[in-house]
Amino acid sequence: NAGVTQTPKFQVLKTGQSMTLQCAQDMNHEYMSWYRQDPGMGLRLIHYSVGAGITDQGEVPNGYNVSRSTTEDFPLRLLSAAPSQTSVYFCASSYTFGRVQEKLFFGSGTQLSVL
Amino acid sequence: SQKIEQNSEALNIQEGKTATLTCNYTNYSPAYLQWYRQDPGRGPVFLLLIRENEKEKRKERLKVTFDTTLKQSLFHITASQPADSATYLCALDPGGFKTIFGAGTRLFVKA
Repeated sequence: NAGVTQTPKFQVLKTGQSMTLQCAQDMNHEYMSWYRQDPGMGLRLIHYSVGAGITDQGEVPNGYNVSRSTTEDFPLRLLSAAPSQTSVYFCASSYTFGRVQEKLFFGSGTQLSVL
Repeated sequence: SQKIEQNSEALNIQEGKTATLTCNYTNYSPAYLQWYRQDPGRGPVFLLLIRENEKEKRKERLKVTFDTTLKQSLFHITASQPADSATYLCALDPGGFKTIFGAGTRLFVKA
């Protein structure tokens, strides 16, 4: 049981480049999300999904796109990378109970640097 | 807006002592509150969840309290060990699948 798997672990981009961060989970969780973590600011929610075909914005969605075509996968796309997107990105998943999600399972993170 | 505050200063304690970490929140009345542990270079790992109608929750050497009047949760590690050294994150769900996190408190346990 792998849990939540993120790739790549490290990435360096130039300003303006695009890339996709991959996230997959094998726990059949309905809910998946992306957070970014910056020093002193804690984890901030970028986008989330409550099932295949359903996505919504979090606190800091600008500059990022997501889609959810399967229950297992939830990729995060940076269309035109900016230095402000330098951060550590975490994917998380959980079961949902009505409109409540109680326990998040996190991947090991992707460290992204935009030069 | 909802806000979670944790002590940004690192907490240094001696092995065997009890570590107490504080989480304060404003502008929200959460149904429950969570604590996570994060090691350097790793993702957060869930530790405990405490509901609004629970005053205290225990798991092995961990104890969490939840005071909805003070809008505060305390996280205790008794008989602390060097292996407990990590960053501890407080989190709450304001509803609508948007769990928010505090910035975390770094704990160092010296042997």
